[in-house]
Amino acid sequence: EPEVTQTPSHQVTQMGQEVILRCVPISNHLYFYWYRQILGQKVEFLVSFYNNEISEKSEIFDDQFSVERPDGSNFTLKIRSTKLEDSAMYFCASSFDRAYEQYFGPGTRLTVT
Amino acid sequence: EDQVTQSPEALRLQEGESSSLNCSYTVSGLRGLFWYRQDPGKGPEFLFTLYSAGEEKEKERLKATLTKKESFLHITAPKPEDSATYLCAVGQYGGATNKLIFGTGTLLAVQP
Repeated sequence: EPEVTQTPSHQVTQMGQEVILRCVPISNHLYFYWYRQILGQKVEFLVSFYNNEISEKSEIFDDQFSVERPDGSNFTLKIRSTKLEDSAMYFCASSFDRAYEQYFGPGTRLTVT
Repeated sequence: EDQVTQSPEALRLQEGESSSLNCSYTVSGLRGLFWYRQDPGKGPEFLFTLYSAGEEKEKERLKATLTKKESFLHITAPKPEDSATYLCAVGQYGGATNKLIFGTGTLLAVQP
């Protein structure tokens, strides 16, 4: 069964460093999303991506964040200068149609020290 | 403000003891009501999508229903392996995509 994959599973970085979180969505999906979940809190929307451009972004997704789909399979989230409060679980999700269910990856746990 | 509220926050059941989880929502322009299951340290796993009031979906011991203001996830004769956090999310169109607004979840523990 097709699934969304994410790498790395856990990333530890120092404050101020850049990190890139990688995702491989399900191959025939067209809509891509990043969410995050701070420990003990709800899953929060960060950004959505369709047709090679950002469709919508939340207030969390400021100038320190960027997304890219560099080729036909990968979807990346970059945080330019990490802060302590960026520590969270980051989930990538994809869907075939915008009205359909989104399938989530296993997540990358980002720890900023 | 768009909101999704789930209750109870936590629920402990004996194996075989049926119950229901509630998800109430206030959102402009609902584009689907989604149920997910989340195990500790894992990503949300899709369970059901409901689009209109009166709709019902079933899968094994789970049944999801939808009204104009809330959704219920009914668990019939649960087993210990049903223990997880159950998340409710509503879809909201923004541009070309459909972001999900999640509730805080119900942590279900099923005792053998």
